[in-house]
Amino acid sequence: DIQMTQSPSFLSASVGDRVTINCKASQNINKYLDWYQQKHGEAPKLLIYNTNNLQTGIPSRFSGSGSGTDYTLTISSLQPEDVATYFCLQHSSRPYTFGAGTKLELK
Amino acid sequence: EVQLVESGGGLVQPGASLKLSCVASGFTFSDYWMSWVRQTPGKTMEWIGDIKYDGSYTNYAPSLKNRFTISRDNAKSTLYLQMSNVRSEDTATYYCTGGFAYWGQGTLVTVSS
Repeated sequence: DIQMTQSPSFLSASVGDRVTINCKASQNINKYLDWYQQKHGEAPKLLIYNTNNLQTGIPSRFSGSGSGTDYTLTISSLQPEDVATYFCLQHSSRPYTFGAGTKLELK
Repeated sequence: EVQLVESGGGLVQPGASLKLSCVASGFTFSDYWMSWVRQTPGKTMEWIGDIKYDGSYTNYAPSLKNRFTISRDNAKSTLYLQMSNVRSEDTATYYCTGGFAYWGQGTLVTVSS
């Protein structure tokens, strides 16, 4: 199985800050990496698919980058509504695997 | 509007069987690979498995393959998860997802005596 190591586990930032969240795969996943946002009590929402493609309706302050084993989600200017837990998912090889999540809070 | 509505969760005893359903609307269900994903009380996400758009092929997480079965009925736009011999560690919220773009709200399964 491909292991996904997500960091940090917890992040506290201020409105307007640039925020980055990382996922590292245990092997090359060929950019088959998605990012999800999950707000308290809600289902996950797809933000970015295949490393750097913004899902329809997602604000442009969200972006993704990476290749090989290392991937990054960036929020260019943090907004209060971005408080949530963020997960990465690799769908390069089954069984598909998730990162452990990053809980993002406002400072 | 896309909707995925899961049902069938609840409190079940260890060793029992349970069948979850997920009814889809607002998109062409038969065009999508569908997956089941679960989230433990500690918020860990686990992919359970998926099924090809025509139901001809399924894949499972190796640790669940012998106890869980995924099926679908495209005429009813419905996805199923048959769970057997459930254990306490199966306690989780179960989500269905269409191509990982569409997600239901989840159904909670609690395994306890």
